[in-house]
Amino acid sequence: DTGVSQDPRHKITKRGQNVTFRCDPISEHNRLYWYRQTLGQGPEFLTYFQNEAQLEKSRLLSDRFSAERPKGSFSTLEIQRTEQGDSAMYLCASSLGTGRHNTEAFFGQGTRLTVV
Amino acid sequence: AQSVTQLGSHVSVSEGALVLLRCNYSSSVPPYLFWYVQYPNQGLQLLLKYTSAATLVKGINGFEAEFKKSETSFHLTKPSAHMSDAAEYFCAVITSGYSTLTFGKGTMLLVSP
Repeated sequence: DTGVSQDPRHKITKRGQNVTFRCDPISEHNRLYWYRQTLGQGPEFLTYFQNEAQLEKSRLLSDRFSAERPKGSFSTLEIQRTEQGDSAMYLCASSLGTGRHNTEAFFGQGTRLTVV
Repeated sequence: AQSVTQLGSHVSVSEGALVLLRCNYSSSVPPYLFWYVQYPNQGLQLLLKYTSAATLVKGINGFEAEFKKSETSFHLTKPSAHMSDAAEYFCAVITSGYSTLTFGKGTMLLVSP
């Protein structure tokens, strides 16, 4: 296993367009997280899946954002009607856990979104 | 709510000098604390974690951190800096039963020859 994989690595889009990012977690990991990181800041939590169920969403996740994890494997994060403020690095992480017991979260290399 | 504060957005050291990156936490319950490193345009790599076992935690690449409850601190140290240590370092705390992380704003470590 090569770790958490994210695609694409970079995306430039025009304001108002829709974009979709993909994350492939480590294969045996049941938990998957999306974070957003803007310049000069630490990553901020967006949403969390356990298997296919989306269990937690941050207030940062506006109505224009939607995430899915069909069949509990890969996940997609879609941003509709992108705005310049959406420009950021989008990070995916995965871990293996039950209840409060959890392995460390392994991060992908991120997708850098630039909205022009 | 749990949070972490990293003191100093930039720390500069000479190669071979001691590295000290500061992190203070705020938590109403015993925290799980982490240090991650991020190289330019890369994801985050776990350096070490504190999960209420030993208060002195050893990590990868010669880094270690000491959990001090009395000072609510979890500072990261390395006895001798190497040029390859130049990166951004993030302190983080688990904030929910789902193990989601809350990160500090990060400290950029600059290493000069």
